[in-house]
Amino acid sequence: KAGVTQTPRYLIKTRGQQVTLSCSPISGHRSVSWYQQTPGQGLQFLFEYFSETQRNKGNFPGRFSGRQFSNSRSEMNVSTLELGDSALYLCASSLEAGSPNEQFFGPGTRLTVL
Amino acid sequence: AQSVTQLGSHVSVSEGALVLLRCNYSSSVPPYLFWYVQYPNQGLQLLLKYTTGATLVKGINGFEAEFKKSETSFHLTKPSAHMSDAAEYFCAVRLNMYSGGGADGLTFGKGTHLIIQP
Repeated sequence: KAGVTQTPRYLIKTRGQQVTLSCSPISGHRSVSWYQQTPGQGLQFLFEYFSETQRNKGNFPGRFSGRQFSNSRSEMNVSTLELGDSALYLCASSLEAGSPNEQFFGPGTRLTVL
Repeated sequence: AQSVTQLGSHVSVSEGALVLLRCNYSSSVPPYLFWYVQYPNQGLQLLLKYTTGATLVKGINGFEAEFKKSETSFHLTKPSAHMSDAAEYFCAVRLNMYSGGGADGLTFGKGTHLIIQP
């Protein structure tokens, strides 16, 4: 069974631009979560989607948004990019939403904002 | 709200020695606890998790962890370190929604970089 895939793997953008990242969950998984990983703040929860609905949201500004499609694939969007948005963005999928379902992580998308 | 503290951003052990990575958590309700490992340029891989039941949990690659409610700890151990264990290790907590914890994502500790000396 294929794992979680994220595209693109690497991305370079400039301040003020917007970016869209994509995540394809493991087949059969209906929940997708997104995390931001930076050296300073570590791993932080962005949001979780289940059945095309956002179920949970972390403490991030409204510039960060996401959506989930009927096939469970998910996208996250960051508008008006700031230098501090440079990070590794990780997507994780699980069978169902919420604890204690195991989350399987993708390799991440490395975003660099110049 | 919940939080996770991992003591020691870097831990160095000799190959064949005991590995001990410390994790303490704070949670208003009984949590679910996880240990993940991250190799360079890769995502996170689950080592083990505690949900309910037996407090000593065995995971992959010879790792195990013990949930101690009285100490709010979930330390990760491995009897004999191998060079391939060198990686970043993350402890994480998620609230138990069945105990009134509501819904939320994983809360991670800052991570511990494990170095294996030959």
